[in-house]
Amino acid sequence: AQSVAQPEDQVNVAEGNPLTVKCTYSVSGNPYLFWYVQYPNRGLQFLLKYITGDNLVKGSYGFEAEFNKSQTSFHLKKPSALVSDSALYFCAVRDNTGGFKTIFGAGTRLFVKA
Amino acid sequence: EAGVTQSPTHLIKTRGQQATLRCSPISGHTSVYWYQQALGLGLQFLLWYDEGEERNRGNFPPRFSGRQFPNYSSELNVNALELEDSALYLCASSFLERTFSYNEQFFGPGTRLTVL
Repeated sequence: AQSVAQPEDQVNVAEGNPLTVKCTYSVSGNPYLFWYVQYPNRGLQFLLKYITGDNLVKGSYGFEAEFNKSQTSFHLKKPSALVSDSALYFCAVRDNTGGFKTIFGAGTRLFVKA
Repeated sequence: EAGVTQSPTHLIKTRGQQATLRCSPISGHTSVYWYQQALGLGLQFLLWYDEGEERNRGNFPPRFSGRQFPNYSSELNVNALELEDSALYLCASSFLERTFSYNEQFFGPGTRLTVL
């Protein structure tokens, strides 16, 4: 069965510092991996996805994520955090073996301090 | 381009009643997904509709049901409401889903359902 784990409920970082939000996954077959962000009182917004190819994926708002097959991880990163990056981040994995269900992690709340 | 829209924004019901939530996908999108976001529980997959058919459902009881109309809009119905059904219900849409599809989903702002 597929699953996604976000081991940190909350990540705190100072503005200007690099940030990492962790995600590990378990899926049959090749994974399709996604990151979404949810700002307060709003729906989720797509940030980036990994399908195949280059392990480093670049997305919106300066975010990037690195796919690591051996560690089954897909960590979200940004070189320099902004206060406006404070939000709830969800990692998701797609089941490509027939169900085509997207499973979301529990979410990690990012706080960026000025 | 208009995004995914959901109505109503807020819905207050009492135990045992029925709730109907509506979703209009982005123009050109044929797949619609429903998720439940209860406090502290992340997103739980409810239902997936594609081309008018229910393609998959999550681990929810049958009192959670829905349908997709010919214009690809969708309706989620929750019967016999229980207190624990209180949550934010999110609808998402994407392009046509077929085998090996990997399209990202576009989310609406959600409907907050409160069951008293």
